Amino acid sequence: SQQGEEDPQALSIQEGENATMNCSYKTSINNLQWYRQNSGRGLVHLILIRSNEREKHSGRLRVTLDTSKKSSSLLITASRAADTASYFCATDAPNAGGTSYGKLTFGQGTILTVHP
Amino acid sequence: DTEVTQTPKHLVMGMTNKKSLKCEQHMGHRAMYWYKQKAKKPPELMFVYSYEKLSINESVPSRFSPECPNSSLLNLHLHALQPEDSALYLCASSRPGRGNYGYTFGSGTRLTVV
Repeated sequence: SQQGEEDPQALSIQEGENATMNCSYKTSINNLQWYRQNSGRGLVHLILIRSNEREKHSGRLRVTLDTSKKSSSLLITASRAADTASYFCATDAPNAGGTSYGKLTFGQGTILTVHP
Repeated sequence: DTEVTQTPKHLVMGMTNKKSLKCEQHMGHRAMYWYKQKAKKPPELMFVYSYEKLSINESVPSRFSPECPNSSLLNLHLHALQPEDSALYLCASSRPGRGNYGYTFGSGTRLTVV
């Protein structure tokens, strides 16, 4: 079963605009990760935020994490046509020992379309 | 080398065939994974290998048989599949243990069962 729910399911914007995607989850996590997938091929790791972090930046990406609300958001600034892809959040849940369970669970994904 | 290589990229097989999917990485990652992804759906975990030992099997039918011959290779043996098993099969690797590492995914094998 999928832990994460993403919102919106689809997002269409113009080049240069910002894109924001949201992710909610249900259980405690070690970290939350965001991935991009182009045209049903392999996933590319974008950014990881640990459970004790609240915000993280990487280039044009900004991720926030609110563990009290069990939610995260991914902001892509100054979007480009090449950013057109599906974006997934994924949660890494701890095992009884508190370390990674090795079980990355993906949300439903947001399809982003950036028009030139 | 920062890649996970999957072969073949496409596979069409009959329901009575036996075939294998192959995954290889040379990043020194000691955790490797098989995921299954249906169209317009998120990837779903099938198997996890940690230090060449099977650590998680997500109740996958026995017609899927994983194998990890060494720390760089991961195979998925297929036998007597059903048409509903048609999907994109993704391999990934990561450092095991305390987590907080991203996964590196291969480009996948697109499987069609006829």
